[in-house]
Amino acid sequence: AQSVTQPDIHITVSEGASLELRCNYSYGATPYLFWYVQSPGQGLQLLLKYFSGDTLVQGIKGFEAEFKRSQSSFNLRKPSVHWSDAAEYFCAVVGMEYGNKLVFGAGTILRVKS
Amino acid sequence: DVKVTQSSRYLVKRTGEKVFLECVQDMDHENMFWYRQDPGLGLRLIYFSYDVKMKEKGDIPEGYSVSREKKERFSLILESASTNQTSMYLCASSLPPPGNTEAFFGQGTRLTVV
Repeated sequence: AQSVTQPDIHITVSEGASLELRCNYSYGATPYLFWYVQSPGQGLQLLLKYFSGDTLVQGIKGFEAEFKRSQSSFNLRKPSVHWSDAAEYFCAVVGMEYGNKLVFGAGTILRVKS
Repeated sequence: DVKVTQSSRYLVKRTGEKVFLECVQDMDHENMFWYRQDPGLGLRLIYFSYDVKMKEKGDIPEGYSVSREKKERFSLILESASTNQTSMYLCASSLPPPGNTEAFFGQGTRLTVV
């Protein structure tokens, strides 16, 4: 069955340190890939998306993600984390193999140490 | 400004009641989704609709049904509410692939079944 895997449930980083959140999916053809962020008590906000073209995509708040077809991955990165980045991050996938459904991973909770 | 509106932010219902959650979008999107969000489980797809009167089951459809009589409105129905359906419910809409399949989310309905 199709799936989206975020292997890290929790990640803690120090403020100013770099960040990488992992996302893997089981999929055949090129998917449509997304990263969303949800701050406590808030709705979902789109950070970035990949449909086609350049495999390194830039998003809001200084985030970027790289699509690696050979590894079925779409990892989210940020060079220097700010305390306000503490939130839950969700990877999501759309594609024909999923029947055009939008499928989410279980999320990664990011904690930022000052 | 694009908008997905869920009819209630908070609901408290009794076990066995029939519960209706309403979602309206103003973007003329073909796709609409209902998810439930629980800690540690991410967003799990309950039902997906890709056109008026068309629906597909998601990962956890048991105990739920949906209705889409008009393009802009997608209703989630809990036929007989149970305590294990206490959760946050999120509605979303999007265009189908190809192209920009970014999903837009409502603010969520926190349902408590007592």
